[in-house]
Amino acid sequence: EDQVTQSPEALRLQEGESSSLNCSYTVSGLRGLFWYRQDPGKGPEFLFTLYSAGEEKEKERLKATLTKKESFLHITAPKPEDSATYLCAVQATTGGFKTIFGAGTRLFVKA
Amino acid sequence: GAVVSQHPSRVICKSGTSVKIECRSLDFQATTMFWYRQFPKQSLMLMATSNEGSKATYEQGVEKDKFLINHASLTLSTLTVTSAHPEDSSFYICSARLDVSNQPQHFGDGTRLSIL
Repeated sequence: EDQVTQSPEALRLQEGESSSLNCSYTVSGLRGLFWYRQDPGKGPEFLFTLYSAGEEKEKERLKATLTKKESFLHITAPKPEDSATYLCAVQATTGGFKTIFGAGTRLFVKA
Repeated sequence: GAVVSQHPSRVICKSGTSVKIECRSLDFQATTMFWYRQFPKQSLMLMATSNEGSKATYEQGVEKDKFLINHASLTLSTLTVTSAHPEDSSFYICSARLDVSNQPQHFGDGTRLSIL
């Protein structure tokens, strides 16, 4: 069964304290892996798409990487405004391009 | 970037009322639109997948007569919660996607529905 697991559930960091969020996935065939940011009371905001193992994408303090079993979202020197829930999703090659979302990691960055 | 507009952002109404939520893709033609429900501190729960010009595909456990979905054009899908009751109170979010290659979904800002 296709599955996406994110860890940790919640992460508390001090401003400037770099860390990584994990997304482990099991899927019959990967078409793409997506990272989103969701602020309270808002819809998810698209961040990155990764298509194949070894691929990396960067945007400001965020860097996403992909292996055959997992993806990491690295946050370098985070700021309080990076506080949000980060969602990982995978799109499989089967099932009509169905996208499966993880439960998310809630990130809190304290000044 | 791709923009999806969802309206209204918040609805408060009495039990028994039907509520319509609109989802528009503003700068691209969305072959497929999705409707999600999200409970506090939980992830997205897919309710249904909507393709332009055809009937929506509902996920298991979602009542199609309760949650009516219409995808009238490549830029507009609507969700109508019929005869809403307090247990239907939730955060509803739509998304839109081009079914070309491996495209991500782009989300609206959600609708907070409160049934009194």
